[in-house]
Amino acid sequence: DIRLTQSPSFLSASVGDRVTITCRASRGISSYLAWYQQKPGEAPKLLIYAASTLQRGVPSRFSGSASGTEFTLTVNSLQPEDFATYYCQQLNSYPVTFGGGTKVEIK
Amino acid sequence: QVTLNESGPVLVKPTETLALTCSVSGFSLTNPYMGVSWIRQPPGKALEWLAHILPNDEKSYNTSLKGRLTISRDTSKSHVVLTMTNMDPEDTATYYCARTLLDYSFAIDAFDFWGQGTVVTVST
Repeated sequence: DIRLTQSPSFLSASVGDRVTITCRASRGISSYLAWYQQKPGEAPKLLIYAASTLQRGVPSRFSGSASGTEFTLTVNSLQPEDFATYYCQQLNSYPVTFGGGTKVEIK
Repeated sequence: QVTLNESGPVLVKPTETLALTCSVSGFSLTNPYMGVSWIRQPPGKALEWLAHILPNDEKSYNTSLKGRLTISRDTSKSHVVLTMTNMDPEDTATYYCARTLLDYSFAIDAFDFWGQGTVVTVST
């Protein structure tokens, strides 16, 4: 199975901050990586797919990038509604796997 | 408008079989670029993919569940059913179904719409 390691697991930030979350795959997954946002009591919401393609309706302050087996989600100018848990997901090979999550909390 | 709705028992006993239904609307289960996946999330833990069914009726399962899963669909009713045998308290989780997008080469791209989830507790 492909293991996805997210870092950090927990992040404390302020409104207006630029936040970066990293997801490292245990082996190559091409660009088959997606990012999701999940708020308490809600289903995950797709933010980014194919490593860097912004899902329709997602604010442009969210962006994704890739370098080899390392993937990055960046949130520019964090907004109050962005405080949530973020998950990466690989869809290159079975089983589909998710990272352990990064919780972004208000400083 | 795309919607997915999970339904099934709230409480099951250990060793019982769980059957969950995902009712979809706003898209067809035979659309060549759209499938349905099941994912679960134990309380306070990360997401775990369980299974999916693709437009050509291809099925895939998370082998960590050791053959306990079966996924099927009824295209006339727009339903996808997941059964999980030999339930254990460790299977207590919120179970989600999600629309699964395929790209131009029919590889899986992402899960773009999710149901609200259904909480299943395994206990005597």
